[in-house]
Amino acid sequence: DADVTQTPRNRITKTGKRIMLECSQTKGHDRMYWYRQDPGLGLRLIYYSFDVKDINKGEISDGYSVSRQAQAKFSLSLESAIPNQTALYFCATSGIPAYNEQFFGPGTRLTVL
Amino acid sequence: TQLLEQSPQFLSIQEGENLTVYCNSSSVFSSLQWYRQEPGEGPVLLVTVVTGGEVKKLKRLTFQFGDARKDSSLHITAAQPGDTGLYLCAEMKTSYDKVIFGPGTSLSVIP
Repeated sequence: DADVTQTPRNRITKTGKRIMLECSQTKGHDRMYWYRQDPGLGLRLIYYSFDVKDINKGEISDGYSVSRQAQAKFSLSLESAIPNQTALYFCATSGIPAYNEQFFGPGTRLTVL
Repeated sequence: TQLLEQSPQFLSIQEGENLTVYCNSSSVFSSLQWYRQEPGEGPVLLVTVVTGGEVKKLKRLTFQFGDARKDSSLHITAAQPGDTGLYLCAEMKTSYDKVIFGPGTSLSVIP
């Protein structure tokens, strides 16, 4: 079984809808991250969390919110989706603070019409 | 804001050829990671380099960290179609809380 799972894998929605992307991990890592990937822009950090009581904004947090329900679960919400939020979204975990090596889920392809 | 640059942006080569891709920054890296992302999947960590001048090998892949720790290269010997993917470098911030990714090099190895 995959160590980091994401649901759904694909989602098409309309402008203005609320969307939640979910991430679960079995690696036992404390650190979890949400990124979005756009062609030519690499991976950009949206939010990250070091434990259930520690949530931090990344470089592109506007329009997004997160919830860390448990050590193993970290969800990303788009409160009112807009077309420029169409992207690939990745969840990642990290267990070694010294190097912060990232372990990624398979991604969610989100399309906002 | 420190930016990571990767070159080339795109690379298409024949099976069996050698290639090198580069990652550069205007500032010193604390440590650098290389990832490979295959289509439809998340990035997978290949290696972490920490010490200036360090060289690490992973089968046909050779990773080098510049002496001044401001650049890194990935050399692939005798490329195979299975090497096709997006190669990303990433720098860990000195605050140890997050990593910053470069835009990637998209490699296509033609059989």
